[in-house]
Amino acid sequence: EVQLVESGGGLGQPGGSLRLSCAASGFTFSGHWMHWVRQCPRKGLEWLSRINSDGSRIHYADSVKGRFTISRDNAKKTLFLQMTSLTAEDTAVYYCARDIKGGPTAFDSWGQGTTVTVSS
Amino acid sequence: DIQMTQSPSSLSASVGDRVTITCRASQSIDIYLNWYQQKPGRAPKLLIYSASSIQSGVPSRFSGSGSGTDFTLTISSLRPEDFATYYCQQSFSTPYTFGPGTKVDIK
Repeated sequence: EVQLVESGGGLGQPGGSLRLSCAASGFTFSGHWMHWVRQCPRKGLEWLSRINSDGSRIHYADSVKGRFTISRDNAKKTLFLQMTSLTAEDTAVYYCARDIKGGPTAFDSWGQGTTVTVSS
Repeated sequence: DIQMTQSPSSLSASVGDRVTITCRASQSIDIYLNWYQQKPGRAPKLLIYSASSIQSGVPSRFSGSGSGTDFTLTISSLRPEDFATYYCQQSFSTPYTFGPGTKVDIK
């Protein structure tokens, strides 16, 4: 069974940092592009970043470019999101998502989400 | 960035109803359009990818159509478990933007 389990959320200080992790199991992690998506309270979904299978190709949304860094450790089957310069607007549920293999991008598996709250 | 809009923003329907949700892109996205279902407190679930391809395990009452800028998600006969919020998403180019969602609730 495909599983994605996020961790690392919690209370962050404005201007501070947090590091999210997404542990994958039940599939060949190194064979899939991966993404981070967030959902602000009572709002819609916002795609944040993607990373290709070997970590050599990365894209970010403008809202997080220069502040967030996506990375992966294929040996440990784990995806990361390093978040810096946090603001209240970063308060959201953060999901990792797996990209369908071999076709146009679509997110066929999602984690349960981890909540980030930025407040002093 | 490609902007996605959905209509209606919400609808009330009864079990057994045929439901259609529309999604429009601000520019042509070919068939790079996905549909997701989200229930409260849960992660989104992929229903349809590439505009009309049904994801494995998704009931056949769900279907998608369209190309270019205009797309539809149809639920042929609404079931109680279908009451949820539905989002479209373009995967033509980054950032992979989502529509604002359509909430389907019980009439």
